Amino acid sequence: SAVISQKPSRDICQRGTSLTIQCQVDSQVTMMFWYRQQPGQSLTLIATANQGSEATYESGFVIDKFPISRPNLTFSTLTVSNMSPEDSSIYLCSFGLGTDTQYFGPGTRLTVL
Amino acid sequence: GESVGLHLPTLSVQEGDNSIINCAYSNSASDYFIWYKQESGKGPQFIIDIRSNMDKRQGQRVTVLLNKTVKHLSLQIAATQPGDSAVYFCAEITTNTGNQFYFGTGTSLTVIP
Repeated sequence: SAVISQKPSRDICQRGTSLTIQCQVDSQVTMMFWYRQQPGQSLTLIATANQGSEATYESGFVIDKFPISRPNLTFSTLTVSNMSPEDSSIYLCSFGLGTDTQYFGPGTRLTVL
Repeated sequence: GESVGLHLPTLSVQEGDNSIINCAYSNSASDYFIWYKQESGKGPQFIIDIRSNMDKRQGQRVTVLLNKTVKHLSLQIAATQPGDSAVYFCAEITTNTGNQFYFGTGTSLTVIP
């Protein structure tokens, strides 16, 4: 089965700065997804990232705040821009392998001061 | 629709007892369901899935039951072990509308040795 990794695993950032999170899969995958998981809560889909097209954002999430890149079939980045303490969360990437199932990365724990 | 963030329900069981974790889903058109286990500091891990043409599926020490009439899903863990302590999420998927995942609130399971 494919292995998925994220960098950084955690970070503490200052208000107003931006952080780019990287997600790497060791196999080529069509669909990659970015989720946010606030402390003690469930997962909320931010956007779907397909290679060669613009990411599709869910209601409440916009490209200016969460720009996403998907340069190839094994890699994606999510940037959290102009951060505020409300952006403190775990950010997770996942992928689908042509089946209906999604597999998740280990997450990036972000704290914004 | 999308899961609303709430404080996680909790379940405590004695080691060796059976655990039952419940999930109510919202969309009657959902036709695929997955249970994920999320240990502290990790991303969600796939446990077991079930499609809507089934009402029961068994894995190793785990059983998922699906009641479409009342839109209810349960995960049964036999002979619960300390390593089963984690947060458990159900996900509902409608495979004919883009495979978007909607996650339940999650249940925090604590196994008492």
